[in-house]
Amino acid sequence: GAGVSQSPSNKVTEKGKDVELRCDPISGHTALYWYRQSLGQGLEFLIYFQGNSAPDKSGLPSDRFSAERTGGSVSTLTIQRTQQEDSAVYLCASSSSGTSNYEQFFGPGTRLTVL
Amino acid sequence: AQSVTQPDIHITVSEGASLELRCNYSYGATPYLFWYVQSPGQGLQLLLKYFSGDTLVQGIKGFEAEFKRSQSSFNLRKPSVHWSDAAEYFCAVGGKGTGYALNFGKGTSLLVTP
Repeated sequence: GAGVSQSPSNKVTEKGKDVELRCDPISGHTALYWYRQSLGQGLEFLIYFQGNSAPDKSGLPSDRFSAERTGGSVSTLTIQRTQQEDSAVYLCASSSSGTSNYEQFFGPGTRLTVL
Repeated sequence: AQSVTQPDIHITVSEGASLELRCNYSYGATPYLFWYVQSPGQGLQLLLKYFSGDTLVQGIKGFEAEFKRSQSSFNLRKPSVHWSDAAEYFCAVGGKGTGYALNFGKGTSLLVTP
């Protein structure tokens, strides 16, 4: 079956522009997570969704970052007015909500470069 | 607050030698512990996980890890390393209170020499 997919795989943008990153989780997975991987900060948790709700937004670095999930499936991470420090690989993961399995399956990531 | 410490940033081992990667965690409740591997240009792959029960867990690719609550550790081991094991290894902790979101260590980069 298909794994987690993310698009685009690479995104180069100019400082101040808005970007949208997309995540398609594994079909049937109700939990979805966004992480950011950068050289200076390692792997950081950003936000997670249970269904379409985001109970925990504490990891979002600033109010320029937002995310939504529709239909309990696809999620979009939006970064407004991008800054150079936003350059990183953005990873999406999904998992089933069953109590017997908390494994998160990761997508290949979107490499964002802000010039 | 939960946190994960991987004390070794880089480790070099000879092919065929044994390997141990250290991981210490801080978590207020029952931790769920994971080891992930990331090869260059690749995504994160789960090696093994600990939720409860037997404290010695077996994973893929011949890896194992032992949960030691008294030492707040979850070290990863492999008896004989192969050149293909060269990669970045991440320890992570999660739990019910955070929706099982993972808190990762900074990673350990493994280099395997002939």
